[in-house]
Amino acid sequence: NAGVMQNPRHLVRRRGQEARLRCSPVKGHSHVYWYRQLPEEGLKFMVYLQKENIIDESGMPKERFSAEFPKEGPSILRIQQVVRGDSAAYFCASSFDRAVLPNEAFFGQGTRLTVV
Amino acid sequence: GESVGLHLPTLSVQEGDNSIINCAYSNSASDYFIWYKQESGKGPQFIIDIRSNMDKRQGQRVTVLLNKTVKHLSLQIAATQPGDSAVYFCAENFGDTDKLIFGTGTRLQVFP
Repeated sequence: NAGVMQNPRHLVRRRGQEARLRCSPVKGHSHVYWYRQLPEEGLKFMVYLQKENIIDESGMPKERFSAEFPKEGPSILRIQQVVRGDSAAYFCASSFDRAVLPNEAFFGQGTRLTVV
Repeated sequence: GESVGLHLPTLSVQEGDNSIINCAYSNSASDYFIWYKQESGKGPQFIIDIRSNMDKRQGQRVTVLLNKTVKHLSLQIAATQPGDSAVYFCAENFGDTDKLIFGTGTRLQVFP
C-alpha cells in the first residue's frame, strides 16, 4: 500500500541546469497537486493536474517552470535554468478524484532541491 | 551574503501539558480548514479538519476550534507528548477549488 512516492529525495543542481522532480501518486489516484515550501514557511500551491491535463496552474511561475502528468508514468515538475531562489522543498499530493475534501489528498515526502 | 529567513513562532510545552496552537486565516470565503503536522524532513500529515458550519470538532487528543467572526482557528492538543514535536500548519480551502492555502506554521517543542 505505497503512498505518494517522490524522487529524488534530494537534488543538487548548479545554476542554469535543469531540475526534474518526479511524483508517483497513490495507485489508482488520477489527480496530482504540486506545492513548494521555502525554509521556515508554509506550502505554496503551484499546480493541479489530472491525467494529461493541467487543471489549475495559477501558482506556477510564468517562466522556467512546467508540469505534466502523462497517461502513463509519474507526474514531472520541470524547472529549467535553475536559480538559487528555486532552492526549496517541493511536495506532491495525490487524490482519487477531485478532492472534494482536500484531506483526501495524501502528501509525499518531498524533493529537496538545492541550487549551488 | 547569507539571507536571514523568517523564523517560525515556537511554542514550548512540558510533556503532559495541553498545547494550543493558533492560526489566523486570510479569506472570509474559506469554508474548509485543515490542520497538518510536519516533522523534519517529511511531508505534511493530516491531523483534523473542520467545515465552516461548525465551530468545534474533536479527534483523538486533538480539538479544533473555529471562530469565523475573527477568522481564527486553533488546535488544542491534550496531554502533549514528545512525539507531538513538529511544525503545525493550518490550511484553508474555499469554493470549488482544490488547492490549499497554508498558514506560516508554528513549531511545537515538547520538553520532559
